[in-house]
Amino acid sequence: GQQLNQNPQSMFIQEGEDVSMNCTSSSIFNTWLWYKQDPGEGPVLLIALYKAGELTSNGRLTAQFGITRKDSFLNISASIPSDVGIYFCAGQRNYGGATNKLIFGTGTLLAVQP
Amino acid sequence: GAVVSQHPSRVICKSGTSVKIECRSLDFQATTMFWYRQFPKQSLMLMATSNEGSKATYEQGVEKDKFLINHASLTLSTLTVTSAHPEDSSFYICSARGQGYFYEQYFGPGTRLTVT
Repeated sequence: GQQLNQNPQSMFIQEGEDVSMNCTSSSIFNTWLWYKQDPGEGPVLLIALYKAGELTSNGRLTAQFGITRKDSFLNISASIPSDVGIYFCAGQRNYGGATNKLIFGTGTLLAVQP
Repeated sequence: GAVVSQHPSRVICKSGTSVKIECRSLDFQATTMFWYRQFPKQSLMLMATSNEGSKATYEQGVEKDKFLINHASLTLSTLTVTSAHPEDSSFYICSARGQGYFYEQYFGPGTRLTVT
């Protein structure tokens, strides 16, 4: 199935550093979502974006819906050890029906050194 | 709000047997539920989408006779892996979508299936 391209594939950083990751698509999405997955767990929704250019924050996390609607960005400021995990972007095309599907990105593995 | 549970969290079964996995939305009504499979170090791949009271819609390449999905109520969907084989071993995750505030997909904790 289709997947979105996420960069970087993995990041190894020191505690306190800021983190940036992005997600790109060859086609347009109406909604961008960012999830975090811990090992052996299901993804947890972090931020949802609904409008091109929208910038939304959730604590130390900030995400942006790209103006072209083909990309999205996630920033984490002042990283802490519990930020460790895999971050997935997901795009959705809203056709007004109940069966709008998510297309997931390839994931970014974040490791934080205390 | 938006809590989704899955049961069991882990299951080991013998090749040729069937396994049922339950997905429940605990604090909202899920008009649509989704089933995903995730292999190690890979992203989530959608297997099927089900709306309450209707037949599931399967993604290309997913055998509907092997992965039986039932969405009999607004809070429960089940995935049955029939005649399981070792290659069916994977992490199965469901998600639920409601309406209004709960419109986004909220994921369950996943079920680790090992077929021996």
